[in-house]
Amino acid sequence: QSVLTQTPSASGTPGQRVTISCSGSRSNIGSNTVNWYQQFPGTAPKLLIYSDNQRPSGVPDRFSGSKSGTSASLAISGLQSEDEADYYCAAWDDSLNGLVFGGGTKLTVL
Amino acid sequence: QVQLVESGGGVVQPGRSLRLSCAASGFAFSSYAMHWVRQAPGKGLEWVSVISYDGSNKYYGDSVKGRFTISRDNSKNTLYLQMNNLRTEDTAMFYCAKDLGLGYRDYSFQNWGQGALVTVSS
Repeated sequence: QSVLTQTPSASGTPGQRVTISCSGSRSNIGSNTVNWYQQFPGTAPKLLIYSDNQRPSGVPDRFSGSKSGTSASLAISGLQSEDEADYYCAAWDDSLNGLVFGGGTKLTVL
Repeated sequence: QVQLVESGGGVVQPGRSLRLSCAASGFAFSSYAMHWVRQAPGKGLEWVSVISYDGSNKYYGDSVKGRFTISRDNSKNTLYLQMNNLRTEDTAMFYCAKDLGLGYRDYSFQNWGQGALVTVSS
């Protein structure tokens, strides 16, 4: 069981806006920044969002991150078929003194 | 461009040891914290360990604490993970990752290697 909780699956149709949530606690999301990663099957993950809502260069502005209290969200607007992937949230946990991941959300583009 | 190349993976019996290496190039290796992250087959990501830019600070995930040791050689631009007393549940793809550089508690994995597969089986 992961320290950060994500819905196992999400779906949307092309052009739609979808949101993936990540729930934590005061010791992780409530105290530290959240990062999001995208992973395609058989490949290494890619940093999508860092510091709650910052995009690395090269990441389309269709991807955005937000945080409120002990929960964070990744929003994908103008959904495209190539967005079909697994998405993971992560944050430092002060109680564990380590980094924790969510269990991942598999996004399907219908 | 940043390149991270892991090596040292393989098949090992439970209780034995293995050392992974990660050769880094394309950036100032000695200026960045480095991580190991693993992924069991068909499972999610699990953070394993981080080492500060100069090797003075190291942190570990609970599942590997006391068994795994992270280290680095900045003169060789290489990151290591010494894994002792391996268990079947350690079977995973192990990735090394370069930190973005925002500091302690703001860790994020900016660049990833292609991974090294470790299989623990009798």
